[in-house]
Amino acid sequence: SAVISQKPSRDICQRGTSLTIQCQVDSQVTMMFWYRQQPGQSLTLIATANQGSEATYESGFVIDKFPISRPNLTFSTLTVSNMSPEDSSIYLCSVEVPEAFNYGYTFGSGTRLTVV
Amino acid sequence: KQEVTQIPAALSVPEGENLVLNCSFTDSAIYNLQWFRQDPGKGLTSLLLIQSSQREQTSGRLNASLDKSSGRSTLYIAASQPGDSATYLCAVSRYDYKLSFGAGTTVTVRA
Repeated sequence: SAVISQKPSRDICQRGTSLTIQCQVDSQVTMMFWYRQQPGQSLTLIATANQGSEATYESGFVIDKFPISRPNLTFSTLTVSNMSPEDSSIYLCSVEVPEAFNYGYTFGSGTRLTVV
Repeated sequence: KQEVTQIPAALSVPEGENLVLNCSFTDSAIYNLQWFRQDPGKGLTSLLLIQSSQREQTSGRLNASLDKSSGRSTLYIAASQPGDSATYLCAVSRYDYKLSFGAGTTVTVRA
C-alpha cells in the first residue's frame, strides 16, 4: 500500500501567522484528503484535493483559511492561514489505496500544530 | 448525514483479557468500514478493512465483524497486551470516497 511522508511532524506558531503542511506519497493517487483532529475529538474532513482542479471543501471550511495545492499526483500542501489558538489541532492527509480486492485509506503521520 | 458512534469511550482491562469494541452507524449505504489505531499525538494505522458485502475480516489477534443491515461493527482483540493500549477508531466510507469517523475508544491494557 502507499506510504505518505508528512511534514512537519509538529510546530508551535504565533497567532496571525500561517503554516504550510506537506504530504508526499510514494505512488500516484487521484484523490488526497485533508483532515483535522481537534484536541480530544475525532477526525473531521477539511477538503478533498484532486490534481488539476480546485479542492472541494466541506461545510465549515473555506479556501481563504485552508488553501490547498495539488500540483501533481504524488504531492499536496495544506496551509493554515492567519492562525488563532482555535486552530491548534492535529492535521492529517490521507489517500485511498487498493487493499486486496478492496480500497481502504492510509494516513500520514500527522502534524501537531500548537498556536500561541 | 452519517453518524458514527463508538462504545465504550474508554476501556481498561488487565493483560490477557479479550477486548470488544463496538461501532454503530446510522446510514447503511456504506462502501466499506475500516478500523484504525491511533497512538497519542500520532497518525492513524489501518488495522482491518471490511467491504460492505463482507461479514468479517481477521488479522492475527484481531477480528472485525460487520452487520451492515443493523449498522454495526465489532472489533475483537484477543489476549490483550500492554502494547495494544491506544485509541481505536472506526470509520465508514461512502461511495463519494469520504470517511466518517467515530470518536474512538481509548484502550488501556494493564500489565
